[in-house]
Amino acid sequence: AAGVIQSPRHLIKEKRETATLKCYPIPRHDTVYWYQQGPGQDPQFLISFYEKMQSDKGSIPDRFSAQQFSDYHSELNMSSLELGDSALYFCASSLYQRTSGRATYNEQFFGPGTRLTVL
Amino acid sequence: GENVEQHPSTLSVQEGDSAVIKCTYSDSASNYFPWYKQELGKRPQLIIDIRSNVGEKKDQRIAVTLNKTAKHFSLHITETQPEDSAVYFCAASIKTGYSTLTFGKGTMLLVSP
Repeated sequence: AAGVIQSPRHLIKEKRETATLKCYPIPRHDTVYWYQQGPGQDPQFLISFYEKMQSDKGSIPDRFSAQQFSDYHSELNMSSLELGDSALYFCASSLYQRTSGRATYNEQFFGPGTRLTVL
Repeated sequence: GENVEQHPSTLSVQEGDSAVIKCTYSDSASNYFPWYKQELGKRPQLIIDIRSNVGEKKDQRIAVTLNKTAKHFSLHITETQPEDSAVYFCAASIKTGYSTLTFGKGTMLLVSP
């Protein structure tokens, strides 16, 4: 079965540079989530999109922005990179279903992650 | 917002033993509780989940129990194997279509042969 695709898998940047991470959700999934995971830490929610609109916002720095495109892929744009931005960045996707007019929660499936190293 | 506490932070067992990981949550509105397994440098993988209208769910050697009154849920792994060694994260979210997950800090499970 198709899974979440993330690119690039590894990225090395200098301080103050910019980076763009891409996420391609599982086909037919309409919701994308971005998480940041530092070494030895739990995934921290950054931001999510449903049907190309921002649906929730977590601990995303103002230097970061994201969007979801018409084909449902999403990009996380990171500017003025800092050493502390070095982490694994995961994208997850899910399908928001409506059953008899009531929303149901569906599982989030994670991509393989992008390892960002800021030097 | 939601706060999820997870214990223990590390757990060492012998192969064949059982392992139990416990989590508590703070937001009584939370009613979806997944568990993820993460091997070093890899993605979190969903291994089992439970919704608030169910008290227990089992899938082969893995089971999850939920006590909504006490706001805690637990992961039980029986007949542990070395390949079960990984970090396990519990999470909680509110039942909406695009609800975000709040994770616990993780439990490193080490299964010795």
